[in-house]
Amino acid sequence: DAKTTQPPSMDCAEGRAANLPCNHSTISGNEYVYWYRQIHSQGPQYIIHGLKNNETNEMASLIITEDRKSSTLILPHATLRDTAVYYCIVRLISSGSARQLTFGSGTQLTVLP
Amino acid sequence: DAGVTQSPTHLIKTRGQQVTLRCSPKSGHDTVSWYQQALGQGPQFIFQYYEEEERQRGNFPDRFSGHQFPNYSSELNVNALLLGDSALYLCASSLGDRVNQPQHFGDGTRLSIL
Repeated sequence: DAKTTQPPSMDCAEGRAANLPCNHSTISGNEYVYWYRQIHSQGPQYIIHGLKNNETNEMASLIITEDRKSSTLILPHATLRDTAVYYCIVRLISSGSARQLTFGSGTQLTVLP
Repeated sequence: DAGVTQSPTHLIKTRGQQVTLRCSPKSGHDTVSWYQQALGQGPQFIFQYYEEEERQRGNFPDRFSGHQFPNYSSELNVNALLLGDSALYLCASSLGDRVNQPQHFGDGTRLSIL
């Protein structure tokens, strides 16, 4: 699986949009971009995933650049409960190694009051 | 709609002992994956079970074994416990072999080895 690079930490003011970047410059055409977050003492929570197009759900928006070498997770109105470690993961479309999720170190997002 | 449930939530063992952790998948899911998360690190894949068989395994020794039951629930067994096995053990469930389906995690079992 392609490696991802994320900043180790970010701060965001409550009520503002949180934009979390992820670099995956070696991503191949058959790899999805997945985002999970992990709030302290809980298991990882699925947020969103995409292949080429931008995606939006009730939690967040995922913007993938045209060359697919980077992406941004957007939390439109961050709240204190969004404080968590956010993981950007690339995952093969095909079977085999695609079955596992390969986590990096993630970004610690702290939402400030 | 019950999510992924794991038991126990916390466990303390001593070196050399054996431990069994349990996982019930999210309703409708038939695939269970296990991960180990050491303090301050991201989760590391141990193995995945589907149709009661282990079909993929990460870089973990044979001391780590598992089982999946006909109702899709699963157990993780660790023998000859080492201090380094202290970690949060996470179970994730998903549907079949569909890569486009996300894995959903439980809140884990915190295992401490003395």
